[in-house]
Amino acid sequence: GAVVSQHPSRVICKSGTSVKIECRSLDFQATTMFWYRQFPKQSLMLMATSNEGSKATYEQGVEKDKFLINHASLTLSTLTVTSAHPEDSSFYICSANSIQNYGYTFGSGTRLTVV
Amino acid sequence: GENVEQHPSTLSVQEGDSAVIKCTYSDSASNYFPWYKQELGKRPQLIIDIRSNVGEKKDQRIAVTLNKTAKHFSLHITETQPEDSAVYFCAASNQDTGNQFYFGTGTSLTVIP
Repeated sequence: GAVVSQHPSRVICKSGTSVKIECRSLDFQATTMFWYRQFPKQSLMLMATSNEGSKATYEQGVEKDKFLINHASLTLSTLTVTSAHPEDSSFYICSANSIQNYGYTFGSGTRLTVV
Repeated sequence: GENVEQHPSTLSVQEGDSAVIKCTYSDSASNYFPWYKQELGKRPQLIIDIRSNVGEKKDQRIAVTLNKTAKHFSLHITETQPEDSAVYFCAASNQDTGNQFYFGTGTSLTVIP
């Protein structure tokens, strides 16, 4: 089946630094990847839609200059949290939609803690 | 955009009883409605889904019903077991235009042995 690998699973960073999260589709080509954010005991909030070779589409209220998304290939999308602040601490999870119609597959998530 | 509401936020049932979780959506163009189970700190796992051309779908102890006119869909779990305890999320999507998933607020289900 379709597998999406996400790294790192956990990261702790200092305020003001940047953190990059990678999302890879291992056995299929992902034309579209989605990035979600989940606060404790809350739902998954769509942040942006990432299409291979084009600029990401951000949801309303999501700062595109703060959450940089790059989808350079059909198997890799990255989310960079720039100038991180403690309020950016959250669970970030990607998902991918494959052209082979495997449906919607989630990565394992990244727990970001900004100190 | 799409707005998905989910109720209840918490649900406790005795083992063996049934559990029902309900969701409503706002965008009549949504045509795909998956349900996910998420255990603490883990990725959501698809448990069942339904498309807008179907009114009901069943997979063993799990069933989903969809009322397109009223724009609501429900998850039914029968003969609940302790391992069913988790957070459940519904979602709505328009697979014809982008396939972004918009999730409900989640239901924390506890099955009491």
